[in-house]
Amino acid sequence: GAVVSQHPSRVICKSGTSVKIECRSLDFQATTMFWYRQFPKKSLMLMATSNEGSKATYEQGVEKDKFLINHASLTLSTLTVTSAHPEDSSFYICSARLDRGTEAFFGQGTRLTVV
Amino acid sequence: TQLLEQSPQFLSIQEGENLTVYCNSSSVFSSLQWYRQEPGEGPVLLVTVVTGGEVKKLKRLTFQFGDARKDSSLHITAAQPGDTGLYLCAGEFNKFYFGSGTKLNVKP
Repeated sequence: GAVVSQHPSRVICKSGTSVKIECRSLDFQATTMFWYRQFPKKSLMLMATSNEGSKATYEQGVEKDKFLINHASLTLSTLTVTSAHPEDSSFYICSARLDRGTEAFFGQGTRLTVV
Repeated sequence: TQLLEQSPQFLSIQEGENLTVYCNSSSVFSSLQWYRQEPGEGPVLLVTVVTGGEVKKLKRLTFQFGDARKDSSLHITAAQPGDTGLYLCAGEFNKFYFGSGTKLNVKP
């Protein structure tokens, strides 16, 4: 399957700081990338859909000013958690797909801990 | 509100037993994927089903897509400890929405 790389895999930051997570499609051009959040022993919750060159579409209840998404190229999307708080601690996962109707492939996830 | 409901949520069985996981929705999906996730890692794609009534086999795993494309099932024959993990279905509805997940534990 296609390869999606997420970086960093783990990050610990202080409360009030911002953290950037990168999602790269390594062997294909991803017109769409998705960002998910996963709580322990729970399923993935879709946060936002990011299309290259346009603004991200956020799911209801997700603060767009807090979770900034940029999809600057067909191989890179970034999620920035701004002014992080302990309740933002979670497992964040991105996925990418070539086009609508094609399969989505997932990054390995980023464990964010805010202290 | 969960767009896709999976059942059961938890399943603990002995090695060699068979099991079925269900994924149900009131919505029609253009495609449905099944993933398996290990703790601390991203989900890994197992299969994609597209056509209503479609059946796909992956070694001991059999996937079925409902005729109306609203539901799917995953059947594992002769489960092994290596099958332990979180199984997730995801439906494409413009975006990918995930089911609630089934945590499978296969005991040796």
